[in-house]
Amino acid sequence: QQQVKQSPQSLIVQKGGISIINCAYENTAFDYFPWYQQFPGKGPALLIAIRPDVSEKKEGRFTISFNKSAKQFSLHIMDSQPGDSATYFCAALFFYDKVIFGPGTSLSVIP
Amino acid sequence: DAGVIQSPRHEVTEMGQEVTLRCKPISGHDYLFWYRQTMMRGLELLIYFNNNVPIDDSGMPEDRFSAKMPNASFSTLKIQPSEPRDSAVYFCASKGQGSYNEQFFGPGTRLTVL
Repeated sequence: QQQVKQSPQSLIVQKGGISIINCAYENTAFDYFPWYQQFPGKGPALLIAIRPDVSEKKEGRFTISFNKSAKQFSLHIMDSQPGDSATYFCAALFFYDKVIFGPGTSLSVIP
Repeated sequence: DAGVIQSPRHEVTEMGQEVTLRCKPISGHDYLFWYRQTMMRGLELLIYFNNNVPIDDSGMPEDRFSAKMPNASFSTLKIQPSEPRDSAVYFCASKGQGSYNEQFFGPGTRLTVL
């Protein structure tokens, strides 16, 4: 299965809180897992990415946690800010160049 | 660098008309991707090219859709005839050589078919 599942569909977090988005996949051939961020009226842009041989990757307030045995990975946004309000897509890279995107999570960070 | 350029940004047309979307990838990028985004189906890969050659068009919904890349700096996605269910935002993206290189997306074309 090439599908990437993502939850929740939407998320509301208060400023300063932690936003958590979860993803799961079936195909063990996936070997790279990027996260993309999309603001309204814009195209998606790469936020952070991880390989399955690493359990965690942190860049500033953004952290990916990866559980290879469970075939799950998640994005944590620490100290969430209103400027983080966007749609987030997890993705998996399959067959060298083809990226499979999850359905997306709409994040709203309220003051 | 100007990034990926798409035109038009908005297109409104009537059912049955031909629609042509255009994309200029980032200079030096070898891969070009066309995506469609809708609320119902999310972000779908339609087709992608490597060095101007179509590699995978399995996402093209039907024969009404066609894509070309006549040279390294230009690609088109054509819908003929268009239908209301084609209404969506169409994105073009490009990336350089290498499996894990970042895909850079254009601003998208919002297509409305009446």
